Amino acid sequence: GEDVEQSLFLSVREGDSSVINCTYTDSSSTYLYWYKQEPGAGLQLLTYIFSNMDMKQDQRLTVLLNKKDKHLSLRIADTQTGDSAIYFCAEKEGRRALTFGSGTRLQVQP
Amino acid sequence: GAGVSQTPSNKVTEKGKYVELRCDPISGHTALYWYRQSLGQGPEFLIYFQGTGAADDSGLPNDRFFAVRPEGSVSTLKIQRTERGDSAVYLCASSLGLAENNEQFFGPGTRLTVL
Repeated sequence: GEDVEQSLFLSVREGDSSVINCTYTDSSSTYLYWYKQEPGAGLQLLTYIFSNMDMKQDQRLTVLLNKKDKHLSLRIADTQTGDSAIYFCAEKEGRRALTFGSGTRLQVQP
Repeated sequence: GAGVSQTPSNKVTEKGKYVELRCDPISGHTALYWYRQSLGQGPEFLIYFQGTGAADDSGLPNDRFFAVRPEGSVSTLKIQRTERGDSAVYLCASSLGLAENNEQFFGPGTRLTVL
């Protein structure tokens, strides 16, 4: 079966980099995603990476994928207080629905 | 309409009652997904539609849960004989299609509380 795991909590200071990690088990996943959830708001897609890529950069966001170890990470450069939220990694294989991790709560200290 | 909308935003009901949760997807999106998010957890898949038909309902926990999408747009998730364990946020998402690179856009969710 599929399982996506994340650490529960991360605290950083404003201006530092944040790194949120995720491991997944379904090696047939072709797309891996990072979503952001703020209180009272819907899930927002931040970025995604295709499984044949090692890295993807999008402004302050860098996604690293180690397919051998089934490890995915999201790095946020120059973290701001507005980045405080819960971050979910998710995988999708073919036409199936998304499988989400349990989320990492990022707290940014001013 | 801008995004995916869900009504009601909050629903409080008593154990044993019947509830209906509604999702209005983005216009033109043929795929529609229902997820359930319990406190402290990530969303879990329930069912998804391509057009009017349920393409995969393997995530529905039992036969008390049912969903329809009769005209291929609005969808209703129906829960019979609600139990306290059904309390969660029910999320709806829509996308242009089922392909992996079709982004799923999520609604704000309906928070269901079963007393």
